[in-house]
Amino acid sequence: QLVLTQSPSASASLGASVKLTCTLSSGHSSYAIAWHQQQPEKGPRYLMKVNSDGSHIKGDGIPDRFSGSSSGAERYLSISSLQSEDEADYYCQTWGTGINWVFGGGTKLTVL
Amino acid sequence: EVQLVESGGGVVRPGGSLRLSCAASGFTFDDYGINWVRQAPGKGLEWVCGINWNGGSTGYADSVKGRFTVSRDNAKNSLYLQMNRLRAEDTALYHCARYYDYTGPDAFDFWGQGTMVTVSS
Repeated sequence: QLVLTQSPSASASLGASVKLTCTLSSGHSSYAIAWHQQQPEKGPRYLMKVNSDGSHIKGDGIPDRFSGSSSGAERYLSISSLQSEDEADYYCQTWGTGINWVFGGGTKLTVL
Repeated sequence: EVQLVESGGGVVRPGGSLRLSCAASGFTFDDYGINWVRQAPGKGLEWVCGINWNGGSTGYADSVKGRFTVSRDNAKNSLYLQMNRLRAEDTALYHCARYYDYTGPDAFDFWGQGTMVTVSS
């Protein structure tokens, strides 16, 4: 079964860097994922797609501070030079070959 | 400017029905598959259902299979969600989201702001 696992929370200081993790279930380590940001009281916003080889394709207007990478079944979202507006929920998403998508439980990022 | 604008939400009694719409603009609608994703108050994102670019393929989460029906009208640049036999647990903000349907399912690259559905007696 295709499942994505995320830590419920993360925190880092203003101006620092943080790396969020999304783990694919066993047998699905070749799957691409997407990262989405949801700021408080707003709709989700697409950040980027991360492939199994670590390459990533960012959405329009996404700052260079955001980047993606991969290692095995783990997909990462790195944010550098943290700003207050980066405080948000971050969701990973993946998909198979049919009309079926899966979301991780989300990570709430607090900027201290 | 790309836009996805949901409408049709409201308050409905358990067992009732509701039809949501998603109006698209600013892009070539039939290049994209469209999905419905919901978010219950204080909870995470849950994929509900989706439809490919020409309506030939659809998919549903187990939680809504047999009760919800997704459809699209490419001539009107619109997506619809017919929700029947609604339950309290269907209460959520419903977003539509698109993916570029060139080689099949892919990342959602744009989202609407959502329309709220409340199922309550």
